[in-house]
Amino acid sequence: QKEVEQDPGPLSVPEGAIVSLNCTYSNSAFQYFMWYRQYSRKGPELLMYTYSSGNKEDGRFTAQVDKSSKYISLFIRDSQPSDSATYLCAFLHTDKLIFGTGTRLQVFP
Amino acid sequence: DVKVTQSSRYLVKRTGEKVFLECVQDMDHENMFWYRQDPGLGLRLIYFSYDVKMKEKGDIPEGYSVSREKKERFSLILESASTNQTSMYLCATLPLSGNQPQHFGDGTRLSIL
Repeated sequence: QKEVEQDPGPLSVPEGAIVSLNCTYSNSAFQYFMWYRQYSRKGPELLMYTYSSGNKEDGRFTAQVDKSSKYISLFIRDSQPSDSATYLCAFLHTDKLIFGTGTRLQVFP
Repeated sequence: DVKVTQSSRYLVKRTGEKVFLECVQDMDHENMFWYRQDPGLGLRLIYFSYDVKMKEKGDIPEGYSVSREKKERFSLILESASTNQTSMYLCATLPLSGNQPQHFGDGTRLSIL
């Protein structure tokens, strides 16, 4: 079993839709939970990170962590074409990051 | 503002060549990392370094080596390039405290012919 599972997509939604991106993980020792956004031909950039179960909101983005189910989500409200990118979940474990394979999102006007 | 600079955006080399990928950071971070990113496989850790002249193998170190002679510079070396090393290579940094986000460079897309 992989340590991190993430649906690669692509996920195609109309502008204004609510987007839900998800990852499951198997290692209960993971300490921090992160979401990175990667535009084409660029390196990943940190979007949000949290260390506890529950929700964390930042503008149109909400990160949700459920440690008991080993499941994390990223919700994007009022999605925009500029949100079109690959979204990677990542988990911090002993000074190393473990990444999901990324979900490609396309928001069309 | 955090900056991680990779020397080349695109690189084309031939099989058997020795290839150097350079990464420079200006944040004074102790930890530096090299990843490769391939479709369907995500980011895979090749090597990382906790300090000058220190290095640790990641998940896929075979065919690679690294050099960290100065804190701000971390080099990835392909000793004898092969076609299966065609990939996007990403450098990243992390401060010693660890519980902070990694900062990535924009990547080097390397093609081995």
